[in-house]
Amino acid sequence: GAVVSQHPSRVICKSGTSVKIECRSLDFQATTMFWYRQFPKQSLMLMATSNEGSKATYEQGVEKDKFLINHASLTLSTLTVTSAHPEDSSFYICSVRRGRDTQYFGPGTRLTVL
Amino acid sequence: DAKTTQPPSMDCAEGRAANLPCNHSTISGNEYVYWYRQIHSQGPQYIIHGLKNNETNEMASLIITEDRKSSTLILPHATLRDTAVYYCIVSDLTGGGNKLTFGTGTQLKVEL
Repeated sequence: GAVVSQHPSRVICKSGTSVKIECRSLDFQATTMFWYRQFPKQSLMLMATSNEGSKATYEQGVEKDKFLINHASLTLSTLTVTSAHPEDSSFYICSVRRGRDTQYFGPGTRLTVL
Repeated sequence: DAKTTQPPSMDCAEGRAANLPCNHSTISGNEYVYWYRQIHSQGPQYIIHGLKNNETNEMASLIITEDRKSSTLILPHATLRDTAVYYCIVSDLTGGGNKLTFGTGTQLKVEL
C-alpha cells in the first residue's frame, strides 16, 4: 500500500495567491523528505530537501522565499507556493527517505495558476 | 551523483519480457543502482535497487554487470499497465548525498 500521501491531489488558484501542499509519511517516521517539481514532458527536478526540526536545503535556482517548506513533525512536510504565478503551474511531488537506502514518492499535486 | 544513459523509448509485446538497459560507466563504489517508473500523471514508483549483486522482487529483476558500469531491468511478463517512463538512477543514499537525480528515462510502451 501507499506509504506517502499528498494533499491536495490537484489545485487551481488565482495568480498572486498562496497554495499549501501537504506531504505525509503514512507508516513510518521520516526525518528527511524531498520536494520535486515536474513540468510537462520533462523529468523530475529536485527543489529542496526538508529536514525535520531544521531549515530546508534548497537546490540552486530555487527561491526559498517563494517556496516555503515546513517539516514540523516526523510525518508531515508542507510546501507553500507564495504569490503563485502561471509559471509556477506544475506537478509537485514529495518523497520520503525510508531506511538507509530507499526513497518513496507521493502521488503528486497538480497546481494550476490562472 | 553519476549520470546514466538510457534509450529514450522501447516497445514490448504484452506477455513478453521487457529488458530495459542502463549505462552508468562513472558509477562509484558506494553508489547503488535504483529503478523507478512513472505512469502518466502519477508520482514515481519504486521498483528495485541493488549495489553489486543481481536482485529480484515481485515486480522485476535487476541484473548488474560485474564491472557495475551497466545494468538491465527485466520485467518478466510485461502487461499493458507496465507502460510508463522508467528511470535508472545511481546514487549513494546511504551517505551524505541523499539525492535522486532523474534523467529523461525510457518510455516503455507495452502493446497487444
